[in-house]
Amino acid sequence: DGGITQSPKYLFRKEGQNVTLSCEQNLNHDAMYWYRQDPGQGLRLIYYSQIVNDFQKGDIAEGYSVSREKKESFPLTVTSAQKNPTAFYLCASSRQGASYNEQFFGPGTRLTVL
Amino acid sequence: QKEVEQNSGPLSVPEGAIASLNCTYSDRVSQSFFWYRQYSGKSPELIMSIYSNGDKEDGRFTAQLNKASQYVSLLIRDSQPSDSATYLCAVPPVGSGNTGKLIFGQGTTLQVKP
Repeated sequence: DGGITQSPKYLFRKEGQNVTLSCEQNLNHDAMYWYRQDPGQGLRLIYYSQIVNDFQKGDIAEGYSVSREKKESFPLTVTSAQKNPTAFYLCASSRQGASYNEQFFGPGTRLTVL
Repeated sequence: QKEVEQNSGPLSVPEGAIASLNCTYSDRVSQSFFWYRQYSGKSPELIMSIYSNGDKEDGRFTAQLNKASQYVSLLIRDSQPSDSATYLCAVPPVGSGNTGKLIFGQGTTLQVKP
């Protein structure tokens, strides 16, 4: 089955720790995205990547970092510089091209700072 | 003006009624529009894509696009309690070119009462 997987489902972080969230897709999509969703809020774009070894900052990139070494994988690191990291993190992917904005989401990772 | 605006609701309808969800957007040149359904605690699921003026029907769901008035709506016929969720509208942001980026509205919460 094709799809997007995210792990872990739940993650707890202590103050000052860096944590990495995994996102893998087997849809052969070129583009991948990371969003953050806070309770009662819409989705905000953290980073996106249209091609391997290239990525761009979204609207709220401060305190986050990403890599795109493989087409299938787009991990997100939440660094200690992110002051309020508790949120629901969603990874998405899409085919590349102006007509193909359909994004498909993974199940999400819920991060809580202790 | 926000790029994508939705009434947060909640919108409450009785079972079997038609639910009407609306979304307005600011970019006159947007070419693609999406509706996502998000159940509480879950990730968004793409339910409708619409690219041209008029109606697009898929089962009990109808998306209506009016580019002149810059709004897109989602009608759910014969609403069921299982339709109770938050519905997110998404459009490409101004100047996004072929990045595949989307801007999401805050979402409208729909409650279907038995």
